[in-house]
Amino acid sequence: EIVLTQSPATLSLSPGERVTLSCRASQSVSSYLAWYQQKPGQAPRLLIYDVSKRATGIPARFSGSGSGTDFTLTISSLEPEDFAVYYCQQRHSWPLTFGGGTKVEIE
Amino acid sequence: EVQLVESGGGLVQPGRSLRLSCAASGFSFDDCAMHWVRQVPGKGLEWVSGINWNSGGTAYMDSVKGRFTISRDNAKNSLYLQMDSLRPEDTALYYCVKDIQLASGSWPYYFDYWGQGTLVTVSS
Repeated sequence: EIVLTQSPATLSLSPGERVTLSCRASQSVSSYLAWYQQKPGQAPRLLIYDVSKRATGIPARFSGSGSGTDFTLTISSLEPEDFAVYYCQQRHSWPLTFGGGTKVEIE
Repeated sequence: EVQLVESGGGLVQPGRSLRLSCAASGFSFDDCAMHWVRQVPGKGLEWVSGINWNSGGTAYMDSVKGRFTISRDNAKNSLYLQMDSLRPEDTALYYCVKDIQLASGSWPYYFDYWGQGTLVTVSS
């Protein structure tokens, strides 16, 4: 099973700041990685897939990068609605796995 | 508009069974792989099981293999999860999830639409 480790667990930031979230895989997942956003009481929302492709309707301030085992989600300038938990997910091999999540909270 | 509506959750004793259902609408259900993902309230996401468009392929996480069975009825636009020999650690909110299906006939991909979930509680 591919283990995805996200860091940090929590980030305390202010609106307007640039955010970089990390996801590290226990073995290569090639470019088969996605990012999701989840707000309290809501289902997750797909943000980025195949490392860097934005899903439908996702603002350009969200971007993804990386390959192999190290991946990054960047939010160029935090909006108030971006405070949430972010998860990475791999589809390289079964079982599909998620990272443990990074909570982005208001400082 | 894509809609995924889960049902069938509830309180069940350890060792008993439960069947979850998901009614899908707003997209070509028989073109897409589907999945179940669960989440313990306040915790992270865990993929449970997936099924390809024509039921020709299924997959499970290790801890549910042999206990859970995923199925679908394309004529009814419905997805199911039969959960047998339930354990307390199966307690979670279960989401019905649509695969983004980036290419026809291939799977899995990623999860582009999620239901609101149905809560399963396994406790005596």
